[in-house]
Amino acid sequence: QVQLQESGPGLVKPSETLSLACIVSGGSIRSYYWSWVRQPPGRGLEWIGHISYRGSTNYKLSLESRVTISLDTSKNQLSLKLRSVSAADTAVYYCARVNSYGAKDFWGQGNLVTVSS
Amino acid sequence: SYDLTQPPSVSVSPGQTATITCSGDALPNHNAYWYQQKPGQAPILMIYNDTERPSGIPERFSGSTSGTTVTLTINGVQAEDEADYYCQSTDTSGSRVVFGGGTKLTVL
Repeated sequence: QVQLQESGPGLVKPSETLSLACIVSGGSIRSYYWSWVRQPPGRGLEWIGHISYRGSTNYKLSLESRVTISLDTSKNQLSLKLRSVSAADTAVYYCARVNSYGAKDFWGQGNLVTVSS
Repeated sequence: SYDLTQPPSVSVSPGQTATITCSGDALPNHNAYWYQQKPGQAPILMIYNDTERPSGIPERFSGSTSGTTVTLTINGVQAEDEADYYCQSTDTSGSRVVFGGGTKLTVL
């Protein structure tokens, strides 16, 4: 059974870079697409972007200038970097596997990141 | 930007049928997916490719599509179905993912 586990700081200062990792177990990241999704407190899901097993990426247009998603095949993990954060970036951040049907079939438990000085 | 529109809330009594709609201009050309999310938990995939149900999802959950609207139907709603439900698809380009705003299902 595939499992995903996000990790990273729970508090980031405004204007700094948010960095999260997602370790994948029970399967290789060398297959499928992998996605990051976030959810501000009390609000809905927001797609951030995804990366293919070959490393090609697609990002939400409004975040594209600040976000980078990458794969580390040696660690079987994916990562998220979001630059120049503000309070509006406070959210629970989820990583998810995207299966061959385009469905996010496995999710991490989520990592709450608060942007505050 | 491209939007998927869902009703903010739906309420039903136990045993009744709940229908949650999701509307978007590009839905006739792109697959839709449905996720269930309970408080403090990660989303769970309930429906993929408009109408397909993953293994382990109860048969009372079904998906359908008609034109620019996809629908999640829950037959014989149970108390445990109370949750937020999100539809997901892609924008007109087919390369960027979009979520609907979510629908809170209340079981009366």
